[in-house]
Amino acid sequence: NAGVTQTPKFQVLKTGQSMTLQCAQDMNHNSMYWYRQDPGMGLRLIYYSASEGTTDKGEVPNGYNVSRLNKREFSLRLESAAPSQTSVYFCASSATGASSGANVLTFGAGSRLTVL
Amino acid sequence: KQEVTQIPAALSVPEGENLVLNCSFTDSAIYNLQWFRQDPGKGLTSLLLIQSSQREQTSGRLNASLDKSSGRSTLYIAASQPGDSATYLCAVLPGANSKLTFGKGITLSVRP
Repeated sequence: NAGVTQTPKFQVLKTGQSMTLQCAQDMNHNSMYWYRQDPGMGLRLIYYSASEGTTDKGEVPNGYNVSRLNKREFSLRLESAAPSQTSVYFCASSATGASSGANVLTFGAGSRLTVL
Repeated sequence: KQEVTQIPAALSVPEGENLVLNCSFTDSAIYNLQWFRQDPGKGLTSLLLIQSSQREQTSGRLNASLDKSSGRSTLYIAASQPGDSATYLCAVLPGANSKLTFGKGITLSVRP
C-alpha cells in the first residue's frame, strides 16, 4: 500500500540548474496535483492534472512545467532553478466522481528542495 | 476568491483537555470541507471530509462540524494526547471539479 511516492526526498541545486521531481500513485486515481509549502504561505497549488493527458495551471505555475506521463505518474520540472523555488514540494492524488472517497487527497511525503 | 483562515496559528494545551480548532471561509458556496493532519517533515493525512449537505462527521476522538451559512468549521478533539501534537489544516473545495483552498494550519502541542 505505497499510496503516493515522491522522489527525491531531498535535493540541493545551484541557481540555474534544472531538475525533475517524480511522483507516482498506485490507487488508480484520476487527478494528480503538485503543491509547494512555504512558511507563512501555506500550501499553494502549482499545477494539476484532472485526468491522463491533461494538465492545468494552479496558483503559482511560473518557473515550473509538468508532465502527466500516464495515469500513475505526474512529474514536476524546474528548468532553471531560482532561490525563490526553495520549498517543500508535495504531490497528491484523488479519485473523482460521486463515490464517498472522491475528492479526498492522498499526499506524498514531500520533497525538500534547496536552491543556492 | 475563496479564502480560508485558521486562528490561532499555534495552540498549546495540557494532556486530557478537550479542544476545538477553528476554520473560517469567506464563500459559503462550497462542495465539501476537509481536515488534514501534518506531522513535522511529513505529508498531509486526511482526517475528515464533510460534504456541503452534512453538518458533522466523526472519527474516533475527532468530530468536525460545518456551518456553511456562517462560513465556519470546527474540529473537536476529545481527551487530547501528546500524540495529537501536529499541524491541523482545513481545506475547502468550492465545486466538484475545482481545487482545494487550504488554510495555513494550526500547530497543536499537547503537553504531557
